[in-house]
Amino acid sequence: EAGVTQFPSHSVIEKGQTVTLRCDPISGHDNLYWYRRVMGKEIKFLLHFVKESKQDESGMPNNRFLAERTGGTYSTLKVQPAELEDSGVYFCASSQDSLYVRTGELFFGEGSRLTVL
Amino acid sequence: AQSVSQHNHHVILSEAASLELGCNYSYGGTVNLFWYVQYPGQHLQLLLKYFSGDPLVKGIKGFEAEFIKSKFSFNLRKPSVQWSDTAEYFCAVNAKGNMLTFGGGTRLMVKP
Repeated sequence: EAGVTQFPSHSVIEKGQTVTLRCDPISGHDNLYWYRRVMGKEIKFLLHFVKESKQDESGMPNNRFLAERTGGTYSTLKVQPAELEDSGVYFCASSQDSLYVRTGELFFGEGSRLTVL
Repeated sequence: AQSVSQHNHHVILSEAASLELGCNYSYGGTVNLFWYVQYPGQHLQLLLKYFSGDPLVKGIKGFEAEFIKSKFSFNLRKPSVQWSDTAEYFCAVNAKGNMLTFGGGTRLMVKP
């Protein structure tokens, strides 16, 4: 079974440019999450989709970030315009079950490293 | 606000040494607790999870963790580490909705 895949693995852009990160969840997983780790700090929650609907976007830092999940399959996270402080690793995860049930577990991708110069 | 603290940022051990990584959380209600591991160049993967019941949880690769509710702790242990355990370890808490709150991570280096 294929895991969660993310593209690109590394992106280097200049301040003010736009970057779009893509995540393909495990097939059949309705829940899709974006997390971010900045400068070796904590991994922080950005948002959660259930199918194509945004269930919780309380972690999105500002309106320069736009996440979509058209059709409830893959998701994209666009940063426009990128700022220096957006540099970090963006993780995508998916799950079949909710985290608050016994079988709940997040399956992570390898992350997309974003460097903004 | 809910938070998770991992007290050791870097740990260096020799093979066969015992390991204990600390994790404390601040949320007072019902929680589900997780330990994730990220091996070099790989994705985060689940080591073990506490949901309810026996507070001593056994995970993959010989790891275990003990949930002590009175101390708000969920420390990770392994009696004898191997070089292949070199990785970064993350404690995480689910207390609300479908969100995980992570600690800052602990980098473990095991010397052969």
